[in-house]
Amino acid sequence: GDSVTQMEGPVTLSEEAFLTINCTYTATGYPSLFWYVQYPGEGLQLLLKATKADDKGSNKGFEATYRKETTSFHLEKGSVQVSDSAVYFCAFDNQAGTALIFGKGTTLSVSS
Amino acid sequence: NAGVTQTPKFRVLKTGQSMTLLCAQDMNHEYMYWYRQDPGMGLRLIHYSVGEGTTAKGEVPDGYNVSRLKKQNFLLGLESAAPSQTSVYFCASRLAPGDYNEQFFGPGTRLTVL
Repeated sequence: GDSVTQMEGPVTLSEEAFLTINCTYTATGYPSLFWYVQYPGEGLQLLLKATKADDKGSNKGFEATYRKETTSFHLEKGSVQVSDSAVYFCAFDNQAGTALIFGKGTTLSVSS
Repeated sequence: NAGVTQTPKFRVLKTGQSMTLLCAQDMNHEYMYWYRQDPGMGLRLIHYSVGEGTTAKGEVPDGYNVSRLKKQNFLLGLESAAPSQTSVYFCASRLAPGDYNEQFFGPGTRLTVL
């Protein structure tokens, strides 16, 4: 069935380090792909998205490229900040288009 | 424009008690969702609605009921709470499925069942 696999966390980095959070998916067809972020004590908010193969989504210095051949949508940032500490979720639309399917989330902790 | 709001923010119940969580959105969205978030499990879909008067089961619907009598509101009910329902509950809404339609989330309700 449809599913999302994210790298296990937590990920602990120093400020200005390079970040990669891996995400692979199993889906029917080629759904739109999303990264959501959850800051402590808050709900989820959309970070970026890509709607078709080879599209690159970007926001707040984060990027992810829709790779159809590897069914992946890895999240990257060149230089993380303490304020990036949060939980990051990879997601895509289910085949019926009625709901998002989420990965289990990856906790990022950035220290100064 | 408040977006998606949830009531209450926190609640403690005893096993067997009932309660209703309220979700409201002011964006005229057709789709609404209830998720639960548990450590190591990510977000799991409980129920969803594709429009006023409709509801459908998600991944983990047992022990919950929902109603969508008004387009802007989506209620989640627990008829007889169990400790396994201790979780953080998130409501979300979306204009409609589609590449450019973002799903918006509420701030969450933290429920503890003793």
